[in-house]
Amino acid sequence: KQEVTQIPAALSVPEGENLVLNCSFTDSAIYNLQWFRQDPGKGLTSLLLIQSSQREQTSGRLNASLDKSSGRSTLYIAASQPGDSATYLCAVLETSGSRLTFGEGTQLTVNP
Amino acid sequence: NAGVMQNPRHLVRRRGQEARLRCSPMKGHSHVYWYRQLPEEGLKFMVYLQKENIIDESGMPKERFSAEFPKEGPSILRIQQVVRGDSAAYFCASSPPKTSGGPRNEQFFGPGTRLTVL
Repeated sequence: KQEVTQIPAALSVPEGENLVLNCSFTDSAIYNLQWFRQDPGKGLTSLLLIQSSQREQTSGRLNASLDKSSGRSTLYIAASQPGDSATYLCAVLETSGSRLTFGEGTQLTVNP
Repeated sequence: NAGVMQNPRHLVRRRGQEARLRCSPMKGHSHVYWYRQLPEEGLKFMVYLQKENIIDESGMPKERFSAEFPKEGPSILRIQQVVRGDSAAYFCASSPPKTSGGPRNEQFFGPGTRLTVL
């Protein structure tokens, strides 16, 4: 059974700091990995999707890496801003099906 | 191109009533997924449907819950005889057919329906 873990559960940083969010998964037989952002009481916004054959994806100040063999992914946020404050979710899509398995999320607070 | 639509956004039911949650996928998407987020927990997969077919319902509770995605109209998640433990946010996602371009199997999420059972 696939399990996804995100560390840390919560993170508070001053504005402008670069930060790394971690995601690990137990079964390396994945099709892709997605990073999402969730604001309180809102839905999920897809940030980056990395196919299993890729090593990283970049979008603006965000960079996500994938090491499938070790079951790890990181989300790097450069020059953090208060508007980045949200919960960040990591999810893997297994090759055996179409379900996404989510981690519990990292709650990020960027202080002005 | 509108995103995934869900309605209602908030739903209040008393114990024993029925709850019907609707999801309209993005235009051109033929795959629909339902996920549930219980308070203070992560999102859990419930069911995966294509038009008129349930593909994977391994995450659905065995009783009181059902889902459909008819040929015409939105996908419906139906909860009969709701209990307080059903209070949660229910999210729908959709993805395009496998033959279309773009990242395969990327799921796009709706804003969710927040169900409160009194």
